[in-house]
Amino acid sequence: KNQVEQSPQSLIILEGKNCTLQCNYTVSPFSNLRWYKQDTGRGPVSLTIMTFSENTKSNGRYTATLDADTKQSSLHITASQLSDSASYICVVRSENTGTASKLTFGTGTRLQVTL
Amino acid sequence: NAGVTQTPKFQVLKTGQSMTLQCAQDMNHEYMSWYRQDPGMGLRLIHYSVGAGITDQGEVPNGYNVSRSTTEDFPLRLLSAAPSQTSVYFCASSYSAGRGQETQYFGPGTRLLVL
Repeated sequence: KNQVEQSPQSLIILEGKNCTLQCNYTVSPFSNLRWYKQDTGRGPVSLTIMTFSENTKSNGRYTATLDADTKQSSLHITASQLSDSASYICVVRSENTGTASKLTFGTGTRLQVTL
Repeated sequence: NAGVTQTPKFQVLKTGQSMTLQCAQDMNHEYMSWYRQDPGMGLRLIHYSVGAGITDQGEVPNGYNVSRSTTEDFPLRLLSAAPSQTSVYFCASSYSAGRGQETQYFGPGTRLLVL
C-alpha cells in the first residue's frame, strides 16, 4: 500500500531560525514528489515539484531535497517568518497506466513560528 | 484570474439532507478533482474528471455524485448526508491529468457539518 509519512507532526520555532521537515514514502512506481503549504482555513498551495532525477529544488526560502534511493525527502525553511506558520504537506505521485495518476498525501507537519 | 472558487464556505446539514458543493475554475484546466480532508488523515480523493463529460471515482466515492457538463464547473453532490461526511472538502484543478509536473491548484475549501 502506498504511504507517505511525515515528521514531526508539529513543530514550534522562533522567528529567524531554520527548520527541516521530513517525508518518507513507500509509493511505487514513483513519478514525482510535491510539497504544499496550507495556511489555516485555506487550500494547499504548491511549493515545489521534484522528479526522480532532481535531488534539490528551491523556492525562495524553501529548499526541498529528494533521495529517491532511500525514498526520503526534506523541506528546509531558512530564516523563518511568522507567515511561515502553516501545515506543510508532502505528496507523492505514482505513475499509473490510466489517464489519471494517483497522488498519496501525507498528514502534514504543523509549523508554528513565534516571536 | 479568480483561480479555483468554491461555494459555500461553510454548511450545516441534517442527516439525510442532500446538497451540492459548487466548484469552478477559470484557467481552462482539463483535470478537476474533489478531496476531503479529515483530522489526522491526508487528503483523500473522492471523484475526478479528465474533461467535460468524463468523470471517475477516487478512493472514497460512496455517498457522493459528480458531473462535468462544462470545462469550468465540477459540482459535488451529497445524496443523503451522514455524520461521517462531516469534513472539509477541497476542489482542485490542473492543466492535465498527464504524467508531467503540472501544478495542482486548490480552492479555499467548504467546511461541512452534518448533524
